[in-house]
Amino acid sequence: EAGVAQSPRYKIIEKRQSVAFWCNPISGHATLYWYQQILGQGPKLLIQFQNNGVVDDSQLPKDRFSAERLKGVDSTLKIQPAKLEDSAVYLCASSSEGSYNEQFFGPGTRLTVL
Amino acid sequence: TQLLEQSPQFLSIQEGENLTVYCNSSSVFSSLQWYRQEPGEGPVLLVTVVTGGEVKKLKRLTFQFGDARKDSSLHITAAQPGDTGLYLCAGLTYGGATNKLIFGTGTLLAVQP
Repeated sequence: EAGVAQSPRYKIIEKRQSVAFWCNPISGHATLYWYQQILGQGPKLLIQFQNNGVVDDSQLPKDRFSAERLKGVDSTLKIQPAKLEDSAVYLCASSSEGSYNEQFFGPGTRLTVL
Repeated sequence: TQLLEQSPQFLSIQEGENLTVYCNSSSVFSSLQWYRQEPGEGPVLLVTVVTGGEVKKLKRLTFQFGDARKDSSLHITAAQPGDTGLYLCAGLTYGGATNKLIFGTGTLLAVQP
């Protein structure tokens, strides 16, 4: 079974530029999550989708971050414009229904904002 | 705001030593998960504990869920360099229409050969 795929793995941009990350979850997983992880810390949930609907985006900085999951499968996370403090690893995870929200994570995208 | 505090934050030990990582909260969780994350990779689920007082063993790793379902511990016996990584606990809460997984602050373990 293929795992969660993310791209790109690394991205370096200058502040005020835009960036987008892509995630393909495990086939059949209805729930998709985007997390932000600062080095050495626990992941912080940005947004949670159930199929193609948003169920939790309470910690998403909506003035600059946006995310979509149009067909209930792939998802994109966008930052526009980026700030220095957005430098972090962005993790995508997915889970199936009926589980204890046991999540399967992708390898992440390491973003550096200069 | 629900918080899961892990201790210690950092731990550097020699191969063969034993260690315990703690995960504490003032909130009650319906279940608790432990993940390990290696550099450059996403977290990988190690175990889920569901019942208060439950103990689960995974080879040299022993996980315990507190009786009150507010805390958990991970004990590693005879640590090996392959155990190096960031250990994360995560508690599951029911929040209205959705379940929410709250991640702990993390414990960075380095096992020296």
